[in-house]
Amino acid sequence: SSELTQDPAVSVALGQTVRITCQGDSLRSYYASWYQQKPGQAPVLVIYGKNNRPSGIPDRFSGSSSGNTASLTITGAQAEDEADYYCNSRDSSGNHWVFGTGTKVTVL
Amino acid sequence: QLQLQESGPGLVKPSETLSLTCTVSGGSISSSSYYWGWIRQPPGKGLEWIGSIYYSGSTYYNPSLKSRVTISVDTSKNQFSLKLSSVTAADTAVYYCARHIVVVITIDAFDIWGQGTMVTVSS
Repeated sequence: SSELTQDPAVSVALGQTVRITCQGDSLRSYYASWYQQKPGQAPVLVIYGKNNRPSGIPDRFSGSSSGNTASLTITGAQAEDEADYYCNSRDSSGNHWVFGTGTKVTVL
Repeated sequence: QLQLQESGPGLVKPSETLSLTCTVSGGSISSSSYYWGWIRQPPGKGLEWIGSIYYSGSTYYNPSLKSRVTISVDTSKNQFSLKLSSVTAADTAVYYCARHIVVVITIDAFDIWGQGTMVTVSS
């Protein structure tokens, strides 16, 4: 399958931890990257590879992977973390890329 | 600091060809470490990868768009371009260009994005 499936929406209380998952067959072979997108803005890379954060991304963002599932965890969620989050990876052919369906994170 | 900027018409007629250019500033498009990609997002919907190109000209296209897409690179201008033919209303979207870093075959990411440009397909 070339699809990456995410839960449409999750909510988290301020300061608590939330995990966002991304499922797909290709994740058994390739790592996912994760993007945060706020309304009206371009996506921002927050995690790539095994658990790599680009410069400027807070360390409350972390990534992990197991089998066909990649996860993005926000530990101690802040109000500014409210956004849409997308995963991305190669598909099973290895020659194309696909984005996940996206998860809307609400911070309560 | 590397920056990417999309440019092109904001309105395209149905059946015509959408043409966009991404200008890279603050760095060279000819770096061997990077591909350069196009991604789009219809209003209220998710992200869709369109395709990526290496500075040498090697291309990868989304299979669902492959018959209509051409991505090219002009290293002399530090630009890469997208052409999407036979457009319909379904091609209305914000189009983003992005740097596509490939660390190793199992690790890659779109690490720097342009601000995006809205393209509407309408007569």
